[in-house]
Parts: sequence; structure tokens; C-alpha cells
Amino acid sequence: QKEVEQDPGPLSVPEGAIVSLNCTYSNSAFQYFMWYRQYSRKGPELLMYTYSSGNKEDGRFTAQVDKSSKYISLFIRDSQPSDSATYLCAGQGFQKLVFGTGTRLLVSP
Amino acid sequence: KAGVTQTPRYLIKTRGQQVTLSCSPISGHRSVSWYQQTPGQGLQFLFEYFSETQRNKGNFPGRFSGRQFSNSRSEMNVSTLELGDSALYLCASSLGSGRGTEAFFGQGTRLTVV
Repeated sequence: QKEVEQDPGPLSVPEGAIVSLNCTYSNSAFQYFMWYRQYSRKGPELLMYTYSSGNKEDGRFTAQVDKSSKYISLFIRDSQPSDSATYLCAGQGFQKLVFGTGTRLLVSP
Repeated sequence: KAGVTQTPRYLIKTRGQQVTLSCSPISGHRSVSWYQQTPGQGLQFLFEYFSETQRNKGNFPGRFSGRQFSNSRSEMNVSTLELGDSALYLCASSLGSGRGTEAFFGQGTRLTVV
């Protein structure tokens, strides 16, 4: 079993939709959680960074962590075609980041 | 502020050869981590260096090695290349002052082994 599980998609939505991206993890030592966005042929770009359980909002993006169920979510409001990318969730234990395999998101105009 | 710089961007090598990849972290960052990204396995952790010392290591064979210099620049070496080593190699830099420090990635080096 992988430490971080993520549905690879692709997830296709129309422009303006609310997108929900999810991950589950198994390592109880994870306390920090990140979401990265990766465009084709580029390196991952840090989107959101949260500590422990709770919500964090940044513009159209909201990250949610539920440590009791080991569930991580990223919500994108008013999705745009420019949001089309692969979204990677990650948990951090002892300095090491462990990534999910990524979910490919396609937002059509 | 300059981001993480990886060189070269693209590389084609033959099986059995060796390769060295370079990563220059963000100024002031002392931690450099290396990852291998493939379509099937996603991002897999190779190793992390902090202040010239390997602090963490993933589950990769000994053919994969790295080092970090006093200016925090890091190199990764793969010896006796195999076809399965074809991947995007990414490095990430962070302040490295402890858990929870944000990691920033470079654009990666795409290695193709033929």
C-alpha cells in the first residue's frame, strides 16, 4: 500500500465548476500537507501548505486536512482552463515529502 | 529571487553509461532533495542533503548517488544506466530548518536512456 493514494483521473469539468481533488494517506507521522500543481513538462509548483487538521484558503483554492480520517482535499472554485494541470498532494514526515501519483485535471472552456 | 535551477534540461544517454545532473537551490536554502518522476510511479524520493550531509535516503539502488557542495549546490549521479532510469529528475530546495519547511522545485532534467 502506498503511503499517499490519489486517483490519477483525468477529471474533466466545465469552466466555472467547483473542483474537488482528494488524497488519502496511511502514515500517522505526517503533520504537514502540501498541494502542488504541475503543468506539462514543468516542475511542480507549490500551491497550498497546511499544518495538521483544518482548512486553509488562498483565493480560489481551499485546502482541507482531516487527520482523523487521514483525508486531504483541495477545492478549486470558479475553475479556469488555466487550472488544467496535474495536482499532486504530499504529506511530510521526518523531512521527507511523500507524494501521491497526481490527479490530472482538465477544465474545458 | 532566482528559483531552483537544474541543468541540463534534457539528456539522452546509452545503457551502461553514467550521468551527472546538477541543481542550484534558491539562495539561502540549505536543503536539496532529489526525486524521480515517472508516469507509473509518480514522484519518488531519492535522497536529501543538508549542509553537505545526506540526511535522508529513499529506496533506490546504490547506482544512484549524490553530493552537496559548500555553496548548497547539489549533484546527482547515476551509474550503469538502465532503460528504466528514463524519467524526469526533479530537485527541490528548502530552508531545511526542520519539518514543515516549504519545498520549491526546479523544472527538472528529463533523462532518456536508449
